[in-house]
Amino acid sequence: DADVTQTPRNRITKTGKRIMLECSQTKGHDRMYWYRQDPGLGLRLIYYSFDVKDINKGEISDGYSVSRQAQAKFSLSLESAIPNQTALYFCATSVTGNQPQHFGDGTRLSIL
Amino acid sequence: EDQVTQSPEALRLQEGESSSLNCSYTVSGLRGLFWYRQDPGKGPEFLFTLYSAGEEKEKERLKATLTKKESFLHITAPKPEDSATYLCAVPWYYNAGGTSYGKLTFGQGTILTVHP
Repeated sequence: DADVTQTPRNRITKTGKRIMLECSQTKGHDRMYWYRQDPGLGLRLIYYSFDVKDINKGEISDGYSVSRQAQAKFSLSLESAIPNQTALYFCATSVTGNQPQHFGDGTRLSIL
Repeated sequence: EDQVTQSPEALRLQEGESSSLNCSYTVSGLRGLFWYRQDPGKGPEFLFTLYSAGEEKEKERLKATLTKKESFLHITAPKPEDSATYLCAVPWYYNAGGTSYGKLTFGQGTILTVHP
């Protein structure tokens, strides 16, 4: 089984819908991250959490919100989806800030 | 904030043709550098960590090296299965409210294609 699991793997939805992407991990890491990846723009950080009570905005947090339900679970929500949020979304975990991050296999999100 | 630049954007090689990928960075103090491999439809897979200038790491046909300003990923006698996007990332830190926060800044990646 994967250490970092993202669901769903693919999602197609319409503008204005609320969407939740989920991430769970079995690595026991405190730190969890949400990124989006767009062609030509690379990986950009949306939100990150260092523990259940500590959530921080990344470089592109507008239009997104997160919830850290437990050490192992970190969800990303799009309250009212818009087409320019179409992208590949990744969840990642790490032990500390200077240790490698370990990624899930991503959610491909298309907003029509 | 650190800046990370990878070159070339894309590299096509024949099987067995060795080459190097570059990752250059501007940092206020080197705290390490990570290399990842990403296959289509997959998340980045961690390859190497380099923490100090002069350090080298090897794994099969890959060798990563680090200087004070850049890192190289050398690919020796590549095979088609080495085709992937290779990403580098640099950690950076800031302090707020007495807590130290760390994040990664990623380069945009090099798309490597190895033809049989």
